[in-house]
Amino acid sequence: GAGVSQSPSNKVTEKGKDVELRCDPISGHTALYWYRQSLGQGLEFLIYFQGNSAPDKSGLPSDRFSAERTGGSVSTLTIQRTQQEDSAVYLCASSLPPGGEQYFGPGTRLTVT
Amino acid sequence: AQSVTQPDIHITVSEGASLELRCNYSYGATPYLFWYVQSPGQGLQLLLKYFSGDTLVQGIKGFEAEFKRSQSSFNLRKPSVHWSDAAEYFCAVAGTDKLIFGTGTRLQVFP
Repeated sequence: GAGVSQSPSNKVTEKGKDVELRCDPISGHTALYWYRQSLGQGLEFLIYFQGNSAPDKSGLPSDRFSAERTGGSVSTLTIQRTQQEDSAVYLCASSLPPGGEQYFGPGTRLTVT
Repeated sequence: AQSVTQPDIHITVSEGASLELRCNYSYGATPYLFWYVQSPGQGLQLLLKYFSGDTLVQGIKGFEAEFKRSQSSFNLRKPSVHWSDAAEYFCAVAGTDKLIFGTGTRLQVFP
């Protein structure tokens, strides 16, 4: 596709359930980023993938959060045992060179009840 | 540590008025600087970026920003605001990878 796509667009889950959020970056973009946007916290970096290098996980808030990127393309962000404070919009972005312009997807709005 | 400050949480202007949104950054080396806009329910759209060279950069939708190293600032400007500019604006700084965002400025435009 022409841009970064994310699915689902909205997800409502019960506290304690696991969720998976998907990101399809722009074809050919080697760098992929996950951010979280929540009230009171603004936009926070979560994790960054670049090619075949080990990901930068320094922004993940707890060990309940993990992400993988298969084949250097699609990425999945997994949140285990969701908590109400995980409610936020999760944004994915990709860029061609690392540090270059990042193109953002529309986000997944996660609501934990 | 890298950081971005947007001191104005909320700004209201009349349509046709000029606009300046403030952004200050803290970064040890020459920064890569960005302004993004987010309309309600939409993703982030890049308005403009500064990597090097001319310190006055032009962006989309008639926006421009000026990099001032001495003031550690990268303020966004527009000479005449349109009602469709109502949105949230984020300044960001990047090193070699992730973006560090400011807390955003919400712009309201009155007719």
